[in-house]
Amino acid sequence: ETGVTQTPRHLVMGMTNKKSLKCEQHLGHNAMYWYKQSAKKPLELMFVYSLEERVENNSVPSRFSPECPNSSHLFLHLHTLQPEDSALYLCASSPTGSSGANVLTFGAGSRLTVL
Amino acid sequence: GQNIDQPTEMTATEGAIVQINCTYQTSGFNGLFWYQQHAGEAPTFLSYNVLDGLEEKGRFSSFLSRSKGYSYLLLKELQMKDSASYLCAVKDSNYQLIWGAGTKLIIKP
Repeated sequence: ETGVTQTPRHLVMGMTNKKSLKCEQHLGHNAMYWYKQSAKKPLELMFVYSLEERVENNSVPSRFSPECPNSSHLFLHLHTLQPEDSALYLCASSPTGSSGANVLTFGAGSRLTVL
Repeated sequence: GQNIDQPTEMTATEGAIVQINCTYQTSGFNGLFWYQQHAGEAPTFLSYNVLDGLEEKGRFSSFLSRSKGYSYLLLKELQMKDSASYLCAVKDSNYQLIWGAGTKLIIKP
């Protein structure tokens, strides 16, 4: 399998649940990202990992907890979420962390609904 | 603050030409990207401009004017499959990507 794969594609959870989103890339990239996409809003960068180290955390609430066990896998652990956290969560990867014309390759996203 | 503006929605006819504009105010500039996102799918890279001028790639072209803080994406010979959202993003002086909210393009037969 090639590209960036995200699972699950759809997730419905209550505010007291704990769940995880998974992202896997088979492109040999060494940077991975979590973005939040809400309707009619710009993409919001949540976390960046470069060479398995977290290099960015954009004031994301602690109810979102990322994990990057190796350069091919990225997780987003979710707990005690709020209804306003309902959104499409996109994972992306790139060859380098931030410089130059490095292009992001995105997964198709995990559509999260918090009841 | 940093800002990217693009129209929320545009409608065009199959076979025609459409221009999607993007204006930006950012702290520094290290390139501008266009991505295409079909409903329920991943955004995919279309183009990258870092110097002024027009970059052509088949039916799609992207233009940049750094002095005006302006870019456009030009789509020719529109096809129904071009119905999608088009995302404009700029890399600022810290190489952070600043995103627009996207333009939803509707193609009618």
